[in-house]
Amino acid sequence: KAGVTQTPRYLIKTRGQQVTLSCSPISGHRSVSWYQQTPGQGLQFLFEYFSETQRNKGNFPGRFSGRQFSNSRSEMNVSTLELGDSALYLCASSLGRATNEKLFFGSGTQLSVL
Amino acid sequence: GQSLEQPSEVTAVEGAIVQINCTYQTSGFYGLSWYQQHDGGAPTFLSYNALDGLEETGRFSSFLSRSDSYGYLLLQELQMKDSASYFCAYTGRRALTFGSGTRLQVQP
Repeated sequence: KAGVTQTPRYLIKTRGQQVTLSCSPISGHRSVSWYQQTPGQGLQFLFEYFSETQRNKGNFPGRFSGRQFSNSRSEMNVSTLELGDSALYLCASSLGRATNEKLFFGSGTQLSVL
Repeated sequence: GQSLEQPSEVTAVEGAIVQINCTYQTSGFYGLSWYQQHDGGAPTFLSYNALDGLEETGRFSSFLSRSDSYGYLLLQELQMKDSASYFCAYTGRRALTFGSGTRLQVQP
């Protein structure tokens, strides 16, 4: 069974631009979460989607948005990019939303904002 | 507020035992998870504790004390390949919340 796939792997943008990142979960997984990872900051939760609905949202500005499609694939969008948005963006999928759910992470998209 | 604290870095020698501690502060706690991440790689699940006590999986064990809001990951018979970052994360009312991670360096 294929793992979580994130595209693109690397991305370079300039301030003010927007970007869309894609995540394909493991087949059969219905929950997708997004995290931002920066050195020394751990993984900061962005949002979670389940059955095409946003279930939870982290403390990020409205420039960060996402969506989930009927096939569970998810995209996240960042508009009006800032230098501080440079980070590794990780997507994780799980079967459902149980409290003991194991998250399966993709390798991430490394975004550099110049 | 909600937070987790774990040491930023730990160094140990091959074959030794190392313990990575994690304290948390949150309302609405369901369980504590541990994830491993090698440089340039994706985080991978190691263990989950919902109840107090020790969970053992091979060379790795994880412990939880809900009354102390404390847990730890114990790695035995350390190998060079165990050099990685280790994250504790709690399941609360919102999504999984991660600590800042502990970088483990295993020396020969």
